[in-house]
Amino acid sequence: GNSVTQMEGPVTLSEEAFLTINCTYTATGYPSLFWYVQYPGEGLQLLLKATKADDKGSNKGFEATYRKETTSFHLEKGSVQVSDSAVYFCALSNESGGYNKLIFGAGTRLAVHP
Amino acid sequence: DTGVSQDPRHKITKRGQNVTFRCDPISEHNRLYWYRQTLGQGPEFLTYFQNEAQLEKSRLLSDRFSAERPKGSFSTLEIQRTEQGDSAMYLCASSLGDRVSDEQYFGPGTRLTVT
Repeated sequence: GNSVTQMEGPVTLSEEAFLTINCTYTATGYPSLFWYVQYPGEGLQLLLKATKADDKGSNKGFEATYRKETTSFHLEKGSVQVSDSAVYFCALSNESGGYNKLIFGAGTRLAVHP
Repeated sequence: DTGVSQDPRHKITKRGQNVTFRCDPISEHNRLYWYRQTLGQGPEFLTYFQNEAQLEKSRLLSDRFSAERPKGSFSTLEIQRTEQGDSAMYLCASSLGDRVSDEQYFGPGTRLTVT
């Protein structure tokens, strides 16, 4: 079946540090991959996505590359800010019965300190 | 684009009571999803509507749960005879298309606490 595994948190970093949050997936066929972010007190927002192998999604300084050979979609940012503190969810969407439900990882909490 | 809205934002109920949540999707979106998120976990799929038709229900959705989307606009999720294990955040999402690459837009959620 389809599943997503992401690194456990919390991840605690100082401002301007480099961020990596690991995400690996199991899926048949050709899923699309997503990173969603949940800021405190807010709903889930799409951060970036990639729809095929070797695609790179990017937004707000975050990047992730769809690696089919390693079934990974790691999230990276070169210099984090305090405002990046949030919970990050890796997710996949795979054709199933003609519709695209999302399958999420457990989430990784990021705390950035000044 | 006013976004996906959910009502109420918080609900506290006693075990055994019935509760109903409402979701208003983005107006032109005809796909609507319900998810449940428990503390420390990612959202889990519950059910899906295309217009007014409920096309899929997760095994997580016991017989005590029912969802409707009359007229293909807003949706309601009802839980009958609530149990403490039903305590969770209930999320609604909508999308314009149903391709695997299509973005789902999430509402703020309804947090249910069963005492």
